[in-house]
This record gives sequence, C-alpha cells and structure tokens, in this order.
Amino acid sequence: EAGVAQSPRYKIIEKRQSVAFWCNPISGHATLYWYQQILGQGPKLLIQFQNNGVVDDSQLPKDRFSAERLKGVDSTLKIQPAKLEDSAVYLCASSLSGGFLQPQHFGDGTRLSIL
Amino acid sequence: QKEVEQNSGPLSVPEGAIASLNCTYSDRGSQSFFWYRQYSGKSPELIMSIYSNGDKEDGRFTAQLNKASQYVSLLIRDSQPSDSATYLCAVGGNKLVFGAGTILRVKS
Repeated sequence: EAGVAQSPRYKIIEKRQSVAFWCNPISGHATLYWYQQILGQGPKLLIQFQNNGVVDDSQLPKDRFSAERLKGVDSTLKIQPAKLEDSAVYLCASSLSGGFLQPQHFGDGTRLSIL
Repeated sequence: QKEVEQNSGPLSVPEGAIASLNCTYSDRGSQSFFWYRQYSGKSPELIMSIYSNGDKEDGRFTAQLNKASQYVSLLIRDSQPSDSATYLCAVGGNKLVFGAGTILRVKS
C-alpha cells in the first residue's frame, strides 16, 4: 500500500513570498490533515478535511494560510505571504475516516525555511 | 496546563534495558491514545494504539492506559540503539492532540 505522498521535500523562500505544498493521501482514506511541526514541538493541526469538506480549521491562520481538497483526494496548502515564524515542517496525514479512533498515517513532510 | 504533557528528556537507557515513556492528558473525554516514533528529520510513524484501560502488547512494545489517572505509557523492552528517536504521545477526543515528545537515547 502506497503511503501518504508529499512534495516538495524542502523549500526555502524569503519572507513575504508565497509557497504551496501538495499532498496525496493513502488510497481510500477519506480524512486528510495538515499539521505544522515547529522544531522541538509536537505536530499542531492546521486543518482537517473529510472528503472535500473542511471539518476543523480553527488553528489555521486564515489571513495567510489557505488549503483546499478538490475532488476529495489531493490537497494543497498555501502560505501567502510567508513570515519568519512559518519556518517549520508541514506534515500531511490521512486516516480511513474522521473521528479520532482511527490512527493517522503521515507523509514525509515538507521542510520550509523562511529567510 | 498543556493538553498532553510528556517529559522532554532525553531519557538515556543502556542497550537491552527497558525504556519507560510517560504521558499525561487533561481531557477526561479522550477515547483514543497513540504512540508515534519520530526519527530526526523524518515524519511520525505509528507504533501503538490503545483505547481501553490496561495493557496492550505488540512485540517489544507495551502500551499502558489508565483513564482514571489520565495517564498513558509506553514500555520498550530489550531497547536497541535503533530505538533512539523522539516518541510522541497523541490523545484523541474531539480532536487529536500531540505532546511535544520524549527523546530516547539507547546507548550501546
């Protein structure tokens, strides 16, 4: 079974620039999550999709972050404009269904550095 | 009070010893509990899940849950240098919340 795919693996941009990340979940997984992991901290949920609908985006900084999951499969996360504090690893995860009894499986992440 | 608390470590154990990792949580309504292993520069990898009080064993790993005390632990028997990583505790209630992780170092 193929795992969660993410790209790019690394990205370096200057502050105020924009950046986008892509995620393809495990086949058949209805729920997709984007997390932000700052060095030395646990992952923090940014947004959760159930199929192509948003379930929870309460911790997404909506003035600069946006995400979409068209057709209920792939997803993109965008940051515009980036700030220095956005330097982190952005992790995509998926699970069979919503609710938190199902374990989540993570992709390799995108390491973002803001100069 | 943090929602999920872990000792940041590092926890150092000799090869072959038992490593004991602990986690406490604040939401009494939590229903699912996970342990993830994260190697440096890698993504979290699920190693154990537990949903009811008691122990759950899988190979060298045992997860222990005590909902009354809001406490979950992970025991790693016969620790190996390859077990050296950060171990993240994640607790599911109406959302999944991760602790900051405990760094484990197994010395050969």
